[in-house]
Amino acid sequence: DTGVSQDPRHKITKRGQNVTFRCDPISEHNRLYWYRQTLGQGPEFLTYFQNEAQLEKSRLLSDRFSAERPKGSFSTLEIQRTEQGDSAMYLCAGALAVETQYFGPGTRLLVL
Amino acid sequence: GENVEQHPSTLSVQEGDSAVIKCTYSDSASNYFPWYKQELGKGPQLIIDIRSNVGEKKDQRIAVTLNKTAKHFSLHITETQPEDSAVYFCAASSNNDMRFGAGTRLTVKP
Repeated sequence: DTGVSQDPRHKITKRGQNVTFRCDPISEHNRLYWYRQTLGQGPEFLTYFQNEAQLEKSRLLSDRFSAERPKGSFSTLEIQRTEQGDSAMYLCAGALAVETQYFGPGTRLLVL
Repeated sequence: GENVEQHPSTLSVQEGDSAVIKCTYSDSASNYFPWYKQELGKGPQLIIDIRSNVGEKKDQRIAVTLNKTAKHFSLHITETQPEDSAVYFCAASSNNDMRFGAGTRLTVKP
């Protein structure tokens, strides 16, 4: 157990709806990453935070996606106007040191 | 940016045999190479990692080797057990930019 939790674990939504996912790393994780994983692929980087500052965003992160980490602890990832192509596993990872990342269990999103 | 290729995509071995998974990377600035194991419905779990100043690292039945000149690194699992069956991902990281391979589905037959 990495100590990183994600909620919900599963989400089914209709196309066009908004969804929000939450990630709770352990308190020592000053870095927090979001990834997207589709079937048969490795995780793809979306964005990461150093404390509360969002330092990098992938071009995969369209303007329908927004992430926050308001107090440098938990983080949320919101997808607006969901599309069927957004169906994937959304993974969160926390990091203590510069590189070593510890993943949560993920949130599996299905857009109908 | 970094590009990581991983082979094979699927690997089936008999219990007790060894399994080897290979990855190549493109960015010579990459200096950290973790391996993750992912079981069905779970997030990736770090099993071993290696930094660019080390050529080999071993932890019980798992070992990783790194060839910086050739830009490739490998995962070796010896005396495989059915519980080793999972999807394994390699990754290469440079300045917090971590890129993953597409994964290898390992099946260990009892």
